[in-house]
Amino acid sequence: GEDVEQSLFLSVREGDSSVINCTYTDSSSTYLYWYKQEPGAGLQLLTYIFSNMDMKQDQRLTVLLNKKDKHLSLRIADTQTGDSAIYFCAEHLSGGYNKLIFGAGTRLAVHP
Amino acid sequence: DSGVTQTPKHLITATGQRVTLRCSPRSGDLSVYWYQQSLDQGLQFLIQYYNGEERAKGNILERFSAQQFPDLHSELNLSSLELGDSALYFCASSLGQGEETQYFGPGTRLLVL
Repeated sequence: GEDVEQSLFLSVREGDSSVINCTYTDSSSTYLYWYKQEPGAGLQLLTYIFSNMDMKQDQRLTVLLNKKDKHLSLRIADTQTGDSAIYFCAEHLSGGYNKLIFGAGTRLAVHP
Repeated sequence: DSGVTQTPKHLITATGQRVTLRCSPRSGDLSVYWYQQSLDQGLQFLIQYYNGEERAKGNILERFSAQQFPDLHSELNLSSLELGDSALYFCASSLGQGEETQYFGPGTRLLVL
């Protein structure tokens, strides 16, 4: 089946690390993505990971993939107020279904 | 800025009407995708075109249609509009028709009254 689940809300203090979790169901997914959506704006690609990788680091962002448990996480180090947004996890289905399946999004609120 | 442009930015119309949303992909990208973001359904894939031809279809209603032109821009046509069609419509583009990264435009916000 095609289903991506995320917790809906996360609140962190400025300077702390944020961890946003995601689970997906399709084991044939080849790429998994994190997109960021700020209020009134479009979707900004943050990072992605190929399914044969366990971890990817990109500056303040760390993506961890546990393929056995179909669990993906995004860690934002030193979270800033500018990181406040909705974060979407998405899996890229293969096998002729060239589409992204998105989770419902996690709203990250960063407070002083 | 992703390089994907969409027009118009906002659209307000009435039930029963027809609208056309336009998307220009990033330079060099051959695939265009359309997604709908609504409060109750979240982000859903509608349809993909590659180099002018339909490649994949998702949860697109029969009242909706799309096409991709020789210059690779795409249009999404929504007809017999209903209140429930109010949503943010995103276009995305990628280089090929496979599993390349999709880059999203800013979206068109449609309000049906």
